[in-house]
Amino acid sequence: DAGVIQSPRHEVTEMGQEVTLRCKPISGHNSLFWYRQTMMRGLELLIYFNNNVPIDDSGMPEDRFSAKMPNASFSTLKIQPSEPRDSAVYFCASSTRAAGTGELFFGEGSRLTVL
Amino acid sequence: GNSVTQMEGPVTLSEEAFLTINCTYTATGYPSLFWYVQYPGEGLQLLLKATKADDKGSNKGFEATYRKETTSFHLEKGSVQVSDSAVYFCALINTGANSKLTFGKGITLSVRP
Repeated sequence: DAGVIQSPRHEVTEMGQEVTLRCKPISGHNSLFWYRQTMMRGLELLIYFNNNVPIDDSGMPEDRFSAKMPNASFSTLKIQPSEPRDSAVYFCASSTRAAGTGELFFGEGSRLTVL
Repeated sequence: GNSVTQMEGPVTLSEEAFLTINCTYTATGYPSLFWYVQYPGEGLQLLLKATKADDKGSNKGFEATYRKETTSFHLEKGSVQVSDSAVYFCALINTGANSKLTFGKGITLSVRP
């Protein structure tokens, strides 16, 4: 079975450019999470969705970040405009039901470098 | 609020050494506890879990026991291998439909041959 699929795996861009990260959750999973991982801050939850509806976006750093989940099989995380401090690995994860199980399946991540 | 505290790292061990990684938590109610592992260049994956006090989670030779009296969930393995080199995260979640996982900072384990 396919796991969580993220694209691109690596992205290098210049400050001010728009960045779009994509995620396809595991089929049948109805919760989706976006995390950011850096050496300084560790693993941070940015936003999560249940049944395509954003439940908690309190971790989104600022208005430059936005996330959508137009259907059960696709989500995007957009940064516009990007800044060097956004450089990190961004993970998408999915779960079989509302987050309460704690059992998340992570993608391999998208490594973003903003120059 | 919920929090997870992991011992400071990194940890470097020789192959076949005994491993203990400490984890303590603060939470209301009766959380479920987890260990996740992240191998180099990969996403996190669930290693083991325990959902109530005195439960022992185990997988791939790793074990952790849910100790409510000491609010701990220490990870142990009797004989580590080079392939166990990874970052290990302790995490917890309270019950409830919209509960969120709370992760510790993670600790890097390096096992040398």
